[in-house]
Amino acid sequence: QVQLQESGPGLVKPSQTLSLTCTVSGGSISSGGYYWSWIRQHPGKGLEWIGYIYYSGSTYYNPSLKSRVTISVDTSKNQFSLKLSSVTAADTAVYYCASYEGGAFDIWGQGTMVTVSS
Amino acid sequence: DIVMTQTPLSLSVTPGQPASISCKSSQSLLHSDGKTYLYWYLQKPGQPPQLLIYEVSNRFSGVPDRFSGSGSGTDFTLKISRVEAEDVGVYYCMQSIQLPHTFGGGTKVEIK
Repeated sequence: QVQLQESGPGLVKPSQTLSLTCTVSGGSISSGGYYWSWIRQHPGKGLEWIGYIYYSGSTYYNPSLKSRVTISVDTSKNQFSLKLSSVTAADTAVYYCASYEGGAFDIWGQGTMVTVSS
Repeated sequence: DIVMTQTPLSLSVTPGQPASISCKSSQSLLHSDGKTYLYWYLQKPGQPPQLLIYEVSNRFSGVPDRFSGSGSGTDFTLKISRVEAEDVGVYYCMQSIQLPHTFGGGTKVEIK
């Protein structure tokens, strides 16, 4: 059973870069068929898709965040990562990693809260 | 972007009674491949969202049969035939026909 776990700093200063990693266990990130995704949820709000990456490195980003987002994959570590630059308080949210297959985000990590504050 | 609109915003249901949530999309979710890319998720308190229904009406693995999805084009419905205490949380619809993926605003279901 594939499991996902987010990790990274819970506090980031304004204008800095938010960096998170998602570790995939119970399966290989290189097995194909899955897009490895980041989704966020502002406090008390709905869900916002950030982007995803295929194990080959192909990426797709939400245009609303595209200029600030980089998603990368490290197949040797079975991990994928999110970098969001020039953060502001509006980037304070719970960040989830998830696997995407055939249209659905079917497996989610537990989420990690990131607060942007000085 | 495709806008997903859910109603109602919240629902208070007596255990054992049915519940229904509506989701409308600003564009048709019917793809030329014949599939309709509409999904339902439940986010229980303190947990990540979990997939309930894929492609309008297919229950994901392990989802009880009291959950059912229906609809076509731009109008969709999630029904719970008999609400149980474990069904509380926020329900979201989502579309995957076009990037960016977009979610509805959510419907909060609570037990009376």
